[in-house]
Amino acid sequence: DGGITQSPKYLFRKEGQNVTLSCEQNLNHDAMYWYRQDPGQGLRLIYYSQIVNDFQKGDIAEGYSVSREKKESFPLTVTSAQKNPTAFYLCASSIVGGSETQYFGPGTRLLVL
Amino acid sequence: EDQVTQSPEALRLQEGESSSLNCSYTVSGLRGLFWYRQDPGKGPEFLFTLYSAGEEKEKERLKATLTKKESFLHITAPKPEDSATYLCAVLKTSYDKVIFGPGTSLSVIP
Repeated sequence: DGGITQSPKYLFRKEGQNVTLSCEQNLNHDAMYWYRQDPGQGLRLIYYSQIVNDFQKGDIAEGYSVSREKKESFPLTVTSAQKNPTAFYLCASSIVGGSETQYFGPGTRLLVL
Repeated sequence: EDQVTQSPEALRLQEGESSSLNCSYTVSGLRGLFWYRQDPGKGPEFLFTLYSAGEEKEKERLKATLTKKESFLHITAPKPEDSATYLCAVLKTSYDKVIFGPGTSLSVIP
């Protein structure tokens, strides 16, 4: 089955700690995205990548970092500089130049200890 | 400023009571409008993509329509399993990011 997987489902971060969220897709999509979702708010774009070894900042990139070494993988690191990291994090992917429809993974909930 | 709004914020329906959700957008040059369903604690599930005014798409009890300024998601004879948050998003021409609305939380009561 093709799809997007995210791990872990829940992640706990201690103050001052960096944590990494995993996102893998086997849809052969070129573009991948990271969103943050807070209660009562729309999805906000953190980072996106349309090709391997290239990525762009979204609307709320401060305190986050990404890498895109493989087409299938787009991990997100939440650094200690992100002062309010508690949220639901969603990864998505899409083809480029087609319908642009984004397909989402199941999400990772990050909680601060 | 590019913006996507959804109304109502929350909607309670009796089972079988048809209604519509609204998505209004102010963007210059629409390339596509997307509807998603999101269950609590899960990722959004794709429903429809609409590209031009006058276009309609249907799936089971759901029908999405598009005009030049807004889209409607019509729910006919809803069932409790249709309870979810429905998200609308738009993609502009000459812009490679999608703008999401805040969503409408739908509850269908048996």
